Amino acid sequence: QKEVEQNSGPLSVPEGAIASLNCTYSDRGSQSFFWYRQYSGKSPELIMFIYSNGDKEDGRFTAQLNKASQYVSLLIRDSQPSDSATYLCAVNGAGSNYQLIWGAGTKLIIKP
Amino acid sequence: EAQVTQNPRYLITVTGKKLTVTCSQNMNHEYMSWYRQDPGLGLRQIYYSMNVEVTDKGDVPEGYKVSRKEKRNFPLILESPSPNQTSLYFCASSLDFSYEQYFGPGTRLTVT
Repeated sequence: QKEVEQNSGPLSVPEGAIASLNCTYSDRGSQSFFWYRQYSGKSPELIMFIYSNGDKEDGRFTAQLNKASQYVSLLIRDSQPSDSATYLCAVNGAGSNYQLIWGAGTKLIIKP
Repeated sequence: EAQVTQNPRYLITVTGKKLTVTCSQNMNHEYMSWYRQDPGLGLRQIYYSMNVEVTDKGDVPEGYKVSRKEKRNFPLILESPSPNQTSLYFCASSLDFSYEQYFGPGTRLTVT
């Protein structure tokens, strides 16, 4: 069974600090990795995607991928109260499995 | 405006009464998918479709049916709903399963 694991939280971070969210996955052949943000009662929206080992930066967000250790992380710099949401990690598998496997999400709370 | 639409947004029904949740996208996407989201369990894929007339089971297909007769529409059918199908349902579409998925606004279904 292919799995994606996230700490459910809540993760509480002071405003202006760096929030660090982590995700591990079981399928070593996974090739595409996504971070989605979901506000309560709303649909998920893409924050970042990453395909290669290393870091990828977009504004205040940085995705980090380490395929050898099978983890992907999301860093949010200068955290704002509007960043308070649940962050979902999704991974697509290798081979003929045309599915994304989703983690259960980490709830992030940014305290003013 | 590029979007995924779902109808209805809210539905309360009784056990055994057949229902259909519609999903439509205007982005000419090949890949469409249905998810259910329950507290603590994250997003679980019900069915997906790689393109017209091609559908396949996700992780939790029991009790659901789908069809993909045209590219833009992907309805979800519950032939005989049961209370354990009470959930928040999302339809999503993308160019391909390895690309960003765009989500509809969600359908909150209650089966009594």
